[in-house]
Amino acid sequence: GAGVSQSPRYKVAKRGQDVALRCDPISGHVSLFWYQQALGQGPEFLTYFQNEAQLDKSGLPSDRFFAERPEGSVSTLKIQRTQQEDSAVYLCASSLASPSGGRGEQFFGPGTRLTVL
Amino acid sequence: QKEVEQNSGPLSVPEGAIASLNCTYSDRGSQSFFWYRQYSGKSPELIMFIYSNGDKEDGRFTAQLNKASQYVSLLIRDSQPSDSATYLCAGARNAGGTSYGKLTFGQGTILTVHP
Repeated sequence: GAGVSQSPRYKVAKRGQDVALRCDPISGHVSLFWYQQALGQGPEFLTYFQNEAQLDKSGLPSDRFFAERPEGSVSTLKIQRTQQEDSAVYLCASSLASPSGGRGEQFFGPGTRLTVL
Repeated sequence: QKEVEQNSGPLSVPEGAIASLNCTYSDRGSQSFFWYRQYSGKSPELIMFIYSNGDKEDGRFTAQLNKASQYVSLLIRDSQPSDSATYLCAGARNAGGTSYGKLTFGQGTILTVHP
């Protein structure tokens, strides 16, 4: 079956532009996560959805970052007025798990590499 | 102090040797641990997960968890050049007997297996 897909794979933005990053999770996966990975570092948690509900957004670095998953499947991470420090790889992951059960392993998409000039 | 700490390496081992990767964590609420492999320019790929104290073996890989010492390790036996990658340790909290929340990652250990 298909894995997690993300688009675009690469995005170059001028400082101040808005960007939208898309994630298609594995079909049937309840949980969806966004992570940010800087060069040479491990991924850092941004936000978590269970179906369409955003249960944790504690990792979003500022109010310029916004995520949604309106129908409980595809998710979009939006960054407004991009800054150079937003340059990173944005990873999406999905899993079957929820508080009521299911396997907790997260499977990652290929990521979107964002470069802000 | 980061919640999950790894020696960033690089760790270099000869082909056929055992590679030992270590990880410590500070959050005693973490109950599930995951090892991911990440090749340069690629996304993390799950190798092993462990929830209980002790050892868990899968092929050439053995994960070890010691909750009292807050220590997780990954052993790779008969290391191959194709194992050369960054290895990420991650912890998660549990609820309802399963891990469903966010992963907290270490910074990763770079492993090089030389022929």
